[in-house]
Amino acid sequence: SQTIHQWPATLVQPVGSPLSLECTVEGTSNPNLYWYRQAAGRGLQLLFYSVGIGQISSEVPQNLSASRPQDRQFILSSKKLLLSDSGFYLCAWSGQLYEQYFGPGTRLTVT
Amino acid sequence: GQNIDQPTEMTATEGAIVQINCTYQTSGFNGLFWYQQHAGEAPTFLSYNVLDGLEEKGRFSSFLSRSKGYSYLLLKELQMKDSASYLCAPRGGGGGNKLTFGTGTQLKVEL
Repeated sequence: SQTIHQWPATLVQPVGSPLSLECTVEGTSNPNLYWYRQAAGRGLQLLFYSVGIGQISSEVPQNLSASRPQDRQFILSSKKLLLSDSGFYLCAWSGQLYEQYFGPGTRLTVT
Repeated sequence: GQNIDQPTEMTATEGAIVQINCTYQTSGFNGLFWYQQHAGEAPTFLSYNVLDGLEEKGRFSSFLSRSKGYSYLLLKELQMKDSASYLCAPRGGGGGNKLTFGTGTQLKVEL
């Protein structure tokens, strides 16, 4: 069966510090992968998606970037965090019906 | 672009039936998904409709009318654990098999 991992679960970072969040998927090959952010009390905002290794599409302009160095690994990064980057970051992969399955998420607080 | 409309909040009684409505406008339509999200957790996939009609899955059913841009999620025999946010997510056209999530309906189940 397929599983998706994200770490860390929680993170507190100062403004201006770098960020690296990692997501890995097991039990499937060449999945579509997605990064979302959910601000407190808000909906899910799609940040990036990837249909294959090295292929990244950005949905919104921001100071974040994403990379897919391996088939089942998706990384979200920032060189300098802003207060507005705080939120719940979720990674997801896409199944056969295009339904998406989410990882447990990383709760990021920028102070 | 995509526009999704759901009620913000609903309250229902344990054991009752509740219907959560969703209207959407999409550029291209390739199915509609419903998700459940408990507070502080990642969303979990509930149901999928691509053709008009009702899909039943245990206590949960989902209905779709493509011509009206309308869907609903029906929850029967409500339990306290059903208190959560319910997200409607149509899949539009374009690359990446992306879903666009509504802001969700916060359902509160009371005794």
